[in-house]
Parts: sequence; C-alpha cells; structure tokens
Amino acid sequence: EAGVTQFPSHSVIEKGQTVTLRCDPISGHDNLYWYRRVMGKEIKFLLHFVKESKQDESGMPNNRFLAERTGGTYSTLKVQPAELEDSGVYFCASSRPGSGQTQYFGPGTRLLVL
Amino acid sequence: GNSVTQMEGPVTLSEEAFLTINCTYTATGYPSLFWYVQYPGEGLQLLLKATKADDKGSNKGFEATYRKETTSFHLEKGSVQVSDSAVYFCALSDRTSYDKVIFGPGTSLSVIP
Repeated sequence: EAGVTQFPSHSVIEKGQTVTLRCDPISGHDNLYWYRRVMGKEIKFLLHFVKESKQDESGMPNNRFLAERTGGTYSTLKVQPAELEDSGVYFCASSRPGSGQTQYFGPGTRLLVL
Repeated sequence: GNSVTQMEGPVTLSEEAFLTINCTYTATGYPSLFWYVQYPGEGLQLLLKATKADDKGSNKGFEATYRKETTSFHLEKGSVQVSDSAVYFCALSDRTSYDKVIFGPGTSLSVIP
C-alpha cells in the first residue's frame, strides 16, 4: 500500500506570505496527525484528526495555523501569515482506526520563511 | 506530563562497533515506546516498538527492551554499518493522550568505514 505523502517537499516563502501544506494519509487510516520540528529543536505534536473531526489541537502554536480535513481524507495545514520562527520540517502521520495504533510518518515538508 | 530524554550526540562510530543510545521516559500512564529513524534526505521511519513492560522490539539488527523499573528503552546494535548513519528518535505514545507521539531530541549517528 502507498505510504503517507506530503506536498510540497520544500517551500521557501517570505515573511508575511501564506503557505498551505498538504498531507495524504494511508488509505483507510482515520487518524491523522501533524507534527513539526523547528530548527534545532524537538519534533512537536500539533494536532490530531479522527476522520474530519479535530480530536486534539493542543499543540497548535497560535491562530496563524489552520488545519482542515474536509471529507476525512487528505488534510491541509495553512500558515497565514508566516513568520520566521515557523521555519522547520512539518511531518504528517496516519494510523488505523482506534487507539493504540502505530503511526506511519510521511517524508515531511521543509518550510523556510525568509 | 509525558517526556522523553535521550543522549543527543552526535555519535561517531567505526564500522562493526557496538552501538548504545540511551533513552529514558516519564509517563503518567502505560505508554508504548518507539524508536524512529530518519536517514539523510528521508522522512521518519518506525524502526521498532514495544507496547508493554519487558517487551523487546527488534528490527534490522537493532533491539530495545521496555524497562518499566528503570523507565528506559535503550537502543542497541551489535555491529553497526555505514548505512546505519542517521538520526534516531526515541518516542512514546499514550492512549490517555490520544496517542500523540512525544519525541526525544534525536541522536545523530555517523558510522565511518
């Protein structure tokens, strides 16, 4: 089966611009997670969808970040307006329905805000 | 709250050397423990996991045992290869936290011929 895919693989934007990241989970995986690793720091949880519903968005840093998962399939993460400190790698992961399932990660999107 | 601590490195070893990367955790519940690996230019891959105390996870010659008494999950390999050069992340997830994964800071490993 195809793995988790993310688009784009890299994005370079200027401060104040908008960027939208996309994640396509493994087919049949109801759980979808977003994480990010900002430069030199740990990978941190951002939020968790179960199908189209936000189960936990406690890791979202501020209201410049908006995540959606319309229809319960792919998800987008929009940053508007982007700031310098948003630079880093954004990972998406998905897992099968239910709790206690192993998460499978995508390759990540490398975002650089200049 | 839940947290993971691991040796940060970087670690440089010669080929065929023994590898240990220490990892300890703090958790209020009964977490599952993982090692993820990120090879250069690639995404995160699950290397191995253990879901309960005394379980041993293993894959590609790597092993780690879930030690509840010492809250540890140290990664070991008896003989590393150049192809093992990567960043290794110790992590945990807990059903009481909706399975979100908590990562350690990562350990960069370089294996030289």
